[in-house]
Amino acid sequence: GQQVMQIPQYQHVQEGEDFTTYCNSSTTLSNIQWYKQRPGGHPVFLIQLVKSGEVKKQKRLTFQFGEAKKNSSLHITATQTTDVGTYFCAGSTGADMRFGAGTRLTVKP
Amino acid sequence: SAVISQKPSRDICQRGTSLTIQCQVDSQVTMMFWYRQQPGQSLTLIATANQGSEATYESGFVIDKFPISRPNLTFSTLTVSNMSPEDSSIYLCSVDQGQSSSGANVLTFGAGSRLTVL
Repeated sequence: GQQVMQIPQYQHVQEGEDFTTYCNSSTTLSNIQWYKQRPGGHPVFLIQLVKSGEVKKQKRLTFQFGEAKKNSSLHITATQTTDVGTYFCAGSTGADMRFGAGTRLTVKP
Repeated sequence: SAVISQKPSRDICQRGTSLTIQCQVDSQVTMMFWYRQQPGQSLTLIATANQGSEATYESGFVIDKFPISRPNLTFSTLTVSNMSPEDSSIYLCSVDQGQSSSGANVLTFGAGSRLTVL
């Protein structure tokens, strides 16, 4: 069945440094979504990517969907302490959606 | 997007007991989803709850262990039955926000119910 792999599992950065998390699927995806879960909170939807090679930006966050629609990345430029949390990708094939393991980001002030 | 009220927010339970988690949505939704998130882990779909029909369970989850009710389009319950310490997790309900252009569910989550089984 479909598997969604996400790396790294943890990332600790100094405030102001950049951060990237990567998501890879064993199968071609119809779309990929990204969620953020703050410590002690629940996942919150960030964005959805649908098209091959799509790139979307939200302020300091840049989301990419690979040309083959099997991989995606989330890049944060100049991290801030408010970026702390776990970032999950969720890949879909039709109605079947699978979450990646998540990347836990900590930011040192 | 929908606002979800989930309760209890947390509970400590004894082995062998059962606990029912409630999820109330402020608008009518066709599908509600129940997820489990074990400590430090990802989200795993337990089942999809449709109003007027039996829930659809994912592989590894069975109705006897996780019975679900869906009496109307704004409410659902998940019961964790005959609990053991391995059931200690956060249980989250979620609904489709309806923002997807590709047919996939874009989810809004409740705040979660953190269960600790002793």
